[in-house]
Amino acid sequence: GDSVTQMEGPVTLSEEAFLTINCTYTATGYPSLFWYVQYPGEGLQLLLKATKADDKGSNKGFEATYRKETTSFHLEKGSVQVSDSAVYFCALKGAGGATNKLIFGTGTLLAVQP
Amino acid sequence: DGGITQSPKYLFRKEGQNVTLSCEQNLNHDAMYWYRQDPGQGLRLIYYSQIVNDFQKGDIAEGYSVSREKKESFPLTVTSAQKNPTAFYLCASTKSRTGGANTYGYTFGSGTRLTVV
Repeated sequence: GDSVTQMEGPVTLSEEAFLTINCTYTATGYPSLFWYVQYPGEGLQLLLKATKADDKGSNKGFEATYRKETTSFHLEKGSVQVSDSAVYFCALKGAGGATNKLIFGTGTLLAVQP
Repeated sequence: DGGITQSPKYLFRKEGQNVTLSCEQNLNHDAMYWYRQDPGQGLRLIYYSQIVNDFQKGDIAEGYSVSREKKESFPLTVTSAQKNPTAFYLCASTKSRTGGANTYGYTFGSGTRLTVV
């Protein structure tokens, strides 16, 4: 079945460092791909998405490109801030199907130090 | 502003007790979902509903029950049959039954933390 694999955390960076959180997926066809962010004690918020191959999703300085050839959707940010400290989830929605079920990765904790 | 409201924020359950977690949305979304979050395990789908009066089991439905009598409401009952209920529970919704998640993503509530005492 469809699945998402994320790099394990925690990822600890200094402020203004470059961020990469790896995400790869297994799915048939062309799934839609998402990154969600969860701040402490809260629910998840949609950060960005890409619905077809080679699309780049971007928001709040974060970017991710849908790479069909490597089945990847890595999250990047050029200069992280302390306020970016959160758990980041990669997710996919399978191609076709009759539902909107999302499949989530296990999440990656990012801690940014001043 | 529209959104999803989960209540209570914290809930304590005694052994052998059933408890109900509330989830209400005023977004006019068709589909609603319940997830359980445990440390290091990400989100696991418990139940979902695409229309009123209909719902389907997710990956870990045993020990849980739901109802969808109104479009706005999707309560989750954690029964005494659920042997390890301590977790963070998240409710989510999306606009349509099929294409909504692609266009709009999920909207999540702020969660209920359930603890067995």
